[in-house]
Amino acid sequence: AQSVTQLGSHVSVSEGALVLLRCNYSSSVPPYLFWYVQYPNQGLQLLLKYTTGATLVKGINGFEAEFKKSETSFHLTKPSAHMSDAAEYFCAVSDLMRGNKLVFGAGTILRVKS
Amino acid sequence: NAGVTQTPKFQVLKTGQSMTLQCAQDMNHNSMYWYRQDPGMGLRLIYYSASEGTTDKGEVPNGYNVSRLNKREFSLRLESAAPSQTSVYFCASNQGSGGGSGNQPQHFGDGTRLSIL
Repeated sequence: AQSVTQLGSHVSVSEGALVLLRCNYSSSVPPYLFWYVQYPNQGLQLLLKYTTGATLVKGINGFEAEFKKSETSFHLTKPSAHMSDAAEYFCAVSDLMRGNKLVFGAGTILRVKS
Repeated sequence: NAGVTQTPKFQVLKTGQSMTLQCAQDMNHNSMYWYRQDPGMGLRLIYYSASEGTTDKGEVPNGYNVSRLNKREFSLRLESAAPSQTSVYFCASNQGSGGGSGNQPQHFGDGTRLSIL
C-alpha cells in the first residue's frame, strides 16, 4: 500500500525566510500528489496538486512544489514566509492500488517567527 | 457558497452513547468520505461512498457505520461511543468516481470535534 512520509512534524522559520516542507511517497508508478493546508479549527484547503505534465506546480499563496520521480519526492516551498502561513500542512497521494483513495502524511506544523 | 457542511461542530459524549454526525455537500459531487484526524497521524479514512446508495470501508471502519442518504448527504454513526473515538472528524467530497480521488481534489468541511468521556 502507498505511504507518505513528511519529514519534520514541526518546522520553524523567520518571517521572510524560505519555507521548505518535505514529502516523500512510496510508489513505483507516478501517482497524483496533493498539498493541503489546515488553519486552526478549520478543514483542509487545497494548496496545489500534481497530476501529469509540468513537474513544477504552482499553487495558491505563493507556494509551489516540484515532483521528482527519481527521488519519489514532492517538497513544498515558498520563497518568503509570511506570518499568515502559520498552519499545518499535509501531503497526500492517490493510492492507485486502493482505488485512488487519498493517503495522507502525518502533517507538518509550520511556525513563522517575527 | 457553502461547499461541505458538517454538524455539529462540537460534541461531548459519555462512553456507550450513540450519535450521528451529519455531512452535506452542495457541489453535486459523486464521492463522499469520512476521515478522522488524530495528532501526529494525519487523516485516516473511515468510510467512503462512491455514489448514492453505495458505501465501503476505509482504513479504520471499526465502531462506525455510515449512510449515503442521497447524493448530497453522507452521515457517520457511532453506535456505542468509546474513548478511543475521541477525535476530529472530517467529511469530504469530490467529483471522482469509483471511490477514488484520482486527480480530483477533495473538498473538506470544517470538522466535528468529538470528545468521549
